Amino acid sequence: ETGVTQTPRHLVMGMTNKKSLKCEQHLGHNAMYWYKQSAKKPLELMFVYSLEERVENNSVPSRFSPECPNSSHLFLHLHTLQPEDSALYLCASSQNPGSASNEQFFGPGTRLTVL
Amino acid sequence: KQEVTQIPAALSVPEGENLVLNCSFTDSAIYNLQWFRQDPGKGLTSLLLIQSSQREQTSGRLNASLDKSSGRSTLYIAASQPGDSATYLCAVYTDKLIFGTGTRLQVFP
Repeated sequence: ETGVTQTPRHLVMGMTNKKSLKCEQHLGHNAMYWYKQSAKKPLELMFVYSLEERVENNSVPSRFSPECPNSSHLFLHLHTLQPEDSALYLCASSQNPGSASNEQFFGPGTRLTVL
Repeated sequence: KQEVTQIPAALSVPEGENLVLNCSFTDSAIYNLQWFRQDPGKGLTSLLLIQSSQREQTSGRLNASLDKSSGRSTLYIAASQPGDSATYLCAVYTDKLIFGTGTRLQVFP
């Protein structure tokens, strides 16, 4: 595996379900990110982890819970979601956050549908 | 508050044309600007990154310029091909990446 991988690629869940999205980066980076992409809206940053510590929480509802057990893995735990949470969820990683050379590399995304 | 705007929102051109995609941002205090490509339903592919101290970057048929003082960047695509059809996103990096809404490009044979 190379780059940034995400599983599952597609997920359909009911509003009472609990599920998790997984992201893994194979680039040796020290920062990882979760983004949400809804139809006709710009990508929105949800969470940032740098050196496995959360440094940004963009006022995301508590029904989204991130976890970063190590620098290569990032999870997004989902519970009691709403239909408006249906979107493409993208994971990214980078080296040197907070610098001009910070370049983010994205995974293929998880297409989430909440029924 | 930083805002990023991309024009045009959509573009349809015949194969072989040279193209210019535009990106503007409201606050010039950025670390860098990144151009991405996104195919339908897929993730983002990083195309070019221009650091704030740089004026342009080139990769193959792509050339991106940055005028930080005026808050503008352009992505130039030379000799467009049908395989270039995708949505192109620009994003400025301050303490986080802030994205525009993209330009959807279609290149027809």
